[in-house]
Amino acid sequence: KAGVTQTPRYLIKTRGQQVTLSCSPISGHRSVSWYQQTPGQGLQFLFEYFSETQRNKGNFPGRFSGRQFSNSRSEMNVSTLELGDSALYLCASSLQGVTGELFFGEGSRLTVL
Amino acid sequence: GNSVTQMEGPVTLSEEAFLTINCTYTATGYPSLFWYVQYPGEGLQLLLKATKADDKGSNKGFEATYRKETTSFHLEKGSVQVSDSAVYFCALSPTEGSQGNLIFGKGTKLSVKP
Repeated sequence: KAGVTQTPRYLIKTRGQQVTLSCSPISGHRSVSWYQQTPGQGLQFLFEYFSETQRNKGNFPGRFSGRQFSNSRSEMNVSTLELGDSALYLCASSLQGVTGELFFGEGSRLTVL
Repeated sequence: GNSVTQMEGPVTLSEEAFLTINCTYTATGYPSLFWYVQYPGEGLQLLLKATKADDKGSNKGFEATYRKETTSFHLEKGSVQVSDSAVYFCALSPTEGSQGNLIFGKGTKLSVKP
């Protein structure tokens, strides 16, 4: 059974640009969550999607957005990139009704110059 | 608000030593508690969980007991191996119905020397 797949794995952008990250969940998982991981702040929740609807959102500015497609794949977008957006962005999928049991991808490492 | 506090790392142990990683939490209601592990170059994996007070989660020789009276969920292992070297994260699930929103501690890096 394939795990959670995130693309791209690494990317470098400059300030002011925007970026789109993609996540394919485990087959059968309809919930997808996104996290930002940095050395200073640790793991911080960005948002959660289920059945193409955003179910919960963390405390991030509106530059961070996401969506989920009918096949449960998800994308997140960060517009007007800032240096502080440099981080590892993790996607996790889970089965509906199983709280907290998340299956994480290896992440997309974003560097903003 | 909800928060998780873990002991600062890194923790360095010799093989077969006893491991304790402290975790305390602040939460309203009755959260579920988790330990996740991140091995070098890999994504986070669920190690164990407990969903109510006095529950003991266990997996791969690791154990943690949900202590409501001390708001703690300390991770223990009786005899660590080199392969246990990783970063360990304590987490709680604060909200009913929001299964993907976890509050994580900062992580504790464990290095086990042969």
